[in-house]
Amino acid sequence: QKEVEQNSGPLSVPEGAIASLNCTYSDRGSQSFFWYRQYSGKSPELIMFIYSNGDKEDGRFTAQLNKASQYVSLLIRDSQPSDSATYLCAGLASGGSYIPTFGRGTSLIVHP
Amino acid sequence: SQTIHQWPATLVQPVGSPLSLECTVEGTSNPNLYWYRQAAGRGLQLLFYSVGIGQISSEVPQNLSASRPQDRQFILSSKKLLLSDSGFYLCAWSVAGGTLHFGNGTRLTVT
Repeated sequence: QKEVEQNSGPLSVPEGAIASLNCTYSDRGSQSFFWYRQYSGKSPELIMFIYSNGDKEDGRFTAQLNKASQYVSLLIRDSQPSDSATYLCAGLASGGSYIPTFGRGTSLIVHP
Repeated sequence: SQTIHQWPATLVQPVGSPLSLECTVEGTSNPNLYWYRQAAGRGLQLLFYSVGIGQISSEVPQNLSASRPQDRQFILSSKKLLLSDSGFYLCAWSVAGGTLHFGNGTRLTVT
């Protein structure tokens, strides 16, 4: 069974710090990975996706993928209170699959 | 650009009443369409997905059904709602197994 695991948190960090969100997956066929941010009462919005091993940076966000360890992470630099939300990790297998497997999300709290 | 519309935003329905939630996508053709439910404090539960008109796959057996009468229209229905149907319903689309894009969601409360 395909699973994506995330620590539910909450992860609490001070404003300006680096928040590190982690995700592991069981399906070695997973090739694409997505990070979504979901504010309370709102729908998930895509932050980043990553296909290749290594790091991918976009502004304050860096996604990291290690396929050998089946590990995905999201780093948020200079965390702001507005980053406080639940972060969902999702994996998608290659070969025509169209159903991503979502983790249950990690709650992040950035306190001033 | 592509947009997804989902309505209504909130809904309060009594137990045993019917349900119809609608979702439409603009700016893309032959999208994959999805219905998810998110109970309070819980993860995303995939209910239905569709890869084309009239093609519906159900992930969870329950008293809900879905239909896709047009390429970019996806409808979630129920003949008789249960209390356990309360939740946050999300429609989403993707193309060719790529990124999922979510609508704004419908908050359903069954009383």
